[in-house]
Amino acid sequence: GDSVTQMEGPVTLSEEAFLTINCTYTATGYPSLFWYVQYPGEGLQLLLKATKADDKGSNKGFEATYRKETTSFHLEKGSVQVSDSAVYFCALSVGAGGTSYGKLTFGQGTILTVHP
Amino acid sequence: EAGVVQSPRYKIIEKKQPVAFWCNPISGHNTLYWYLQNLGQGPELLIRYENEEAVDDSQLPKDRFSAERLKGVDSTLKIQPAELGDSAVYLCASSLDGRPNNEQFFGPGTRLTVL
Repeated sequence: GDSVTQMEGPVTLSEEAFLTINCTYTATGYPSLFWYVQYPGEGLQLLLKATKADDKGSNKGFEATYRKETTSFHLEKGSVQVSDSAVYFCALSVGAGGTSYGKLTFGQGTILTVHP
Repeated sequence: EAGVVQSPRYKIIEKKQPVAFWCNPISGHNTLYWYLQNLGQGPELLIRYENEEAVDDSQLPKDRFSAERLKGVDSTLKIQPAELGDSAVYLCASSLDGRPNNEQFFGPGTRLTVL
């Protein structure tokens, strides 16, 4: 079935460090890919998305590129801030032909803590 | 514009008791989802509605869980009877329609503790 694998966490960085959170997926259809973020005490919210191969999603300084050849959608940010501390979820949703049609399939989440 | 509203935010019950969760989606959103999130894991879909029709309930444990979305707006998820393993966060989400590339908007969730 369809699945998402995120890098093991938690991740702890100093402010202004470079961030990468790895995400790879398995899908039988043609997935759209998402990064959702959950800040402390808040609900899940969309950070960025990409709906076809080679698309780059970006928001708030975060970027991720849809790599079909490596089935990956790694999240990057050049300079993290304390306010970026949160749990990050990679997810996919598949169109026709996939078992995940109409639903989000999430990875297990990566806890990011940024220290001043 | 109001987001997805869920209540209650927290619920503590004894095992074997019934419990119900309520969700009000964003106005105009036809698709509604209930997800289950266990501690340290990503959410997993329980049921998806298109208007008032449940179009995917394959992951809903139907022996104890039920859901409804009367009139295609609000939705209620019920557990009867609750078991210890049901302790988790129950998330409701909505989207404009069920297309896979659409953003899903999540509510704050209901944290259930079963004692």
